[in-house]
Amino acid sequence: GESVGLHLPTLSVQEGDNSIINCAYSNSASDYFIWYKQESGKGPQFIIDIRSNMDKRQGQRVTVLLNKTVKHLSLQIAATQPGDSAVYFCAENPVMGNDMRFGAGTRLTVKP
Amino acid sequence: DGGITQSPKYLFRKEGQNVTLSCEQNLNHDAMYWYRQDPGQGLRLIYYSQIVNDFQKGDIAEGYSVSREKKESFPLTVTSAQKNPTAFYLCASRLSSGYYEQYFGPGTRLTVT
Repeated sequence: GESVGLHLPTLSVQEGDNSIINCAYSNSASDYFIWYKQESGKGPQFIIDIRSNMDKRQGQRVTVLLNKTVKHLSLQIAATQPGDSAVYFCAENPVMGNDMRFGAGTRLTVKP
Repeated sequence: DGGITQSPKYLFRKEGQNVTLSCEQNLNHDAMYWYRQDPGQGLRLIYYSQIVNDFQKGDIAEGYSVSREKKESFPLTVTSAQKNPTAFYLCASRLSSGYYEQYFGPGTRLTVT
């Protein structure tokens, strides 16, 4: 079946640097995408979302980019902080569908 | 405070016993979901429900059962038929299908020995 996946399972960055986490999706019917952050032993938390009619959306220190041509999603975190260390998941959902599918996740480690 | 609660946080059971995990939400969301997460892995969908008294199997429903008698509650039973039940279980809810994110509970870590 079609699935959502991630290019990199782990990412280590220096505090203050920018981070980029990537995600590939294969379901062309997906038109809503979300990035979640999960800290150890906790449930995922919503970070930012984007609809397929947009290429870019910005939040506080985070930006999501969507490239529908190559079915690619990325999360950019500016000035990465130690508190950003977590596992990041992308999720995709076709609007007409009832379930949301998650990628395998990328573990981000921020070095002080 | 509005949110999703899961209880207990940690649960221990002997092999061969059924166990029920609780999930309650007071967000007035129509849809609720159960996911399983194994160490270093992503989230796999077990069951979901779009409306009271209705639910659908996800990717790994075998060995699990659910009920949705109330809008606020979506308990998950891990039966003895589930071959590898030890995992982290996450419940989520969502206003409805469409452009709405899922809200997650804190999770229940189930250990079966």
